[in-house]
Amino acid sequence: KQEVTQIPAALSVPEGENLVLNCSFTDSAIYNLQWFRQDPGKGLTSLLLIQSSQREQTSGRLNASLDKSSGRSTLYIAASQPGDSATYLCAVLGGTSYGKLTFGQGTILTVHP
Amino acid sequence: DAEITQSPRHKITETGRQVTLACHQTWNHNNMFWYRQDLGHGLRLIHYSYGVQDTNKGEVSDGYSVSRSNTEDLPLTLESAASSQTSVYFCATLGGTGELFFGEGSRLTVL
Repeated sequence: KQEVTQIPAALSVPEGENLVLNCSFTDSAIYNLQWFRQDPGKGLTSLLLIQSSQREQTSGRLNASLDKSSGRSTLYIAASQPGDSATYLCAVLGGTSYGKLTFGQGTILTVHP
Repeated sequence: DAEITQSPRHKITETGRQVTLACHQTWNHNNMFWYRQDLGHGLRLIHYSYGVQDTNKGEVSDGYSVSRSNTEDLPLTLESAASSQTSVYFCATLGGTGELFFGEGSRLTVL
């Protein structure tokens, strides 16, 4: 059974800092890994999707990497802003259960001015 | 723009009542999913469907059912609502690249 763990559970940083969120998974036979952002009371917004054949994806100040062999992904946020404050979730698709994502518990990020 | 919509966004009901949460998507995606999100448990899969007339149980399917009569809709039914089913429910679809798209969620309170 796939298990996904996110570290840290919560993170508070001053504005402008670069930061790294970590995601690890137990079954390396994945189709892809996705990072989401969730604002309070809202749905999940997809940030980055990394296919199993890729090593990283970038969008603006966000960069996500994937190391399938070690079962790890990182989300790097450059020059953090208060508007980045949200819960960040990683989810793994596939392994032996195609079409079903397994989610981590999320990292609650607070960026203070 | 294509989208996924859930209704109602908020619902309060009583124990034992039947409740149906609607999910409608305009992408024509075959794969659709229902999740519930609870503090301490994260997102858990309730049911999923790979196409019309196809439905499958997820990890927390007891007390829930779904039906898929067309591509666009996957309604989630709670046959006899229980307080343990108080949660936020999310519908999602899977695009061709494996990207998951979520609705805004339906907050259900069972008293």
